[in-house]
Amino acid sequence: DAGVTQSPTHLIKTRGQQVTLRCSPKSGHDTVSWYQQALGQGPQFIFQYYEEEERQRGNFPDRFSGHQFPNYSSELNVNALLLGDSALYLCASSFQGVDTQYFGPGTRLTVL
Amino acid sequence: ILNVEQSPQSLHVQEGDSTNFTCSFPSSNFYALHWYRWETAKSPEALFVMTLNGDEKKKGRISATLNTKEGYSYLYIKGSQPEDSATYLCAFEDTDKLIFGTGTRLQVFP
Repeated sequence: DAGVTQSPTHLIKTRGQQVTLRCSPKSGHDTVSWYQQALGQGPQFIFQYYEEEERQRGNFPDRFSGHQFPNYSSELNVNALLLGDSALYLCASSFQGVDTQYFGPGTRLTVL
Repeated sequence: ILNVEQSPQSLHVQEGDSTNFTCSFPSSNFYALHWYRWETAKSPEALFVMTLNGDEKKKGRISATLNTKEGYSYLYIKGSQPEDSATYLCAFEDTDKLIFGTGTRLQVFP
């Protein structure tokens, strides 16, 4: 049983560019949450998708947007990249948003 | 703004030592407290989900306790082994989203 997978593993972009990160949830899970972990910080909640709708959103600007597909996989898009967007982006899946969230290995984004 | 704090920030112990770390969280509107173990270059691994005051959970040599009235949880590792080296994160569950602490980085030396 495949766990949560994320792609790509690493990504280097320049300021002002746009990026798309991808996540496939654990089998049987229908909810995907995205977190950003900056250096020296704990993961911070970006948003959560359930039934292809954004259900909750953390304190992130509109440059951060997402999407969930009918197969429950999800994308995180960041527009107009800033140096401060450099971080590890984690995806977590769960069943109907309750109980344990299972995490992927993350995508390391570097903005130059 | 909900704040979750963990201490110590890092810990270095010898193989065989027992150790413990603390997670502090808001005591009001408590729903659940999660513990994760995160090894370098791997995915965070769920250890425990704790929901009841006085709860005590155990997984092998690792155990955790919960005090929701005063807003803290302890994670204990008995007889630490080098493979226990990892960052241990706690997270307060707030309406289906997790509010994480900054973690305790444990290194166990042989």
